[in-house]
Amino acid sequence: NAGVTQTPKFQVLKTGQSMTLQCAQDMNHEYMSWYRQDPGMGLRLIHYSVGAGITDQGEVPNGYNVSRSTTEDFPLRLLSAAPSQTSVYFCASRRQGQYEQYFGPGTRLTVT
Amino acid sequence: ELKVEQNPLFLSMQEGKNYTIYCNYSTTSDRLYWYRQDPGKSLESLFVLLSNGAVKQEGRLMASLDTKARLSTLHITAAVHDLSATYFCAVTMDSNYQLIWGAGTKLIIKP
Repeated sequence: NAGVTQTPKFQVLKTGQSMTLQCAQDMNHEYMSWYRQDPGMGLRLIHYSVGAGITDQGEVPNGYNVSRSTTEDFPLRLLSAAPSQTSVYFCASRRQGQYEQYFGPGTRLTVT
Repeated sequence: ELKVEQNPLFLSMQEGKNYTIYCNYSTTSDRLYWYRQDPGKSLESLFVLLSNGAVKQEGRLMASLDTKARLSTLHITAAVHDLSATYFCAVTMDSNYQLIWGAGTKLIIKP
C-alpha cells in the first residue's frame, strides 16, 4: 500500500491564481481530512469528508473547496490564492471505527 | 469551543535527563492523541489514549491521560538525541473524531 499520497510536494502561486492540491489513499478509508500547518499554531482543520459524496467544513474553510467523488480521492481547491494561504497542507485518512489517523507527506505552498 | 494548550512550547535538554510535556484541553473529549513531527516531515502517531487513567509506553516515551483534570502528559525518560522533534497533542471535537491540535512542543536534546 502507498498509504496517503499528496501532490505536488511544493508549489508557488501568484496572488489570485487557482490550483488543486491532490490527495489519494489506497486503504479504503471512509474518513479523509485536510489540515493546514502554520508556524507556532499546530494543525487546523480545513475540510473533512466521512465518505464519498459527503463533505463538511472544519475550523478554517474560507477560500477552499473540496469534493469527494470517490473513496480514494479528496482534492482541495484554492479558488483565488492569497498570501495568507501560504502554509504546509496535510491530508489525512482514517478507517471508520478506528482511531488511527494516517497523514500524507504534505504540500508546501507559497503564495506571492 | 474546544481548545488545546501545550507547555512548554520549546524545551532544550541534555541527554540522560527526564522531562514532561503537558497538554491541557478545555472541554470533555473522548480521545487524546500524541504525534511526533521531524523537521520538514509528516506526522507520526505515537499514542492514542482512550479513557481516564490510560497509560501507554513506547521506549523512552510514556503518555498518560487524566480526563477529570483534562490533562495529558508525555514523559521522556533518559532522553537521547534521536528524540529531538516537535511533539503535538490533539483531541477530538466530535463523533467524527476530527482533531483539534495543540501548538506543539519543540524538543531539542543535546548530546
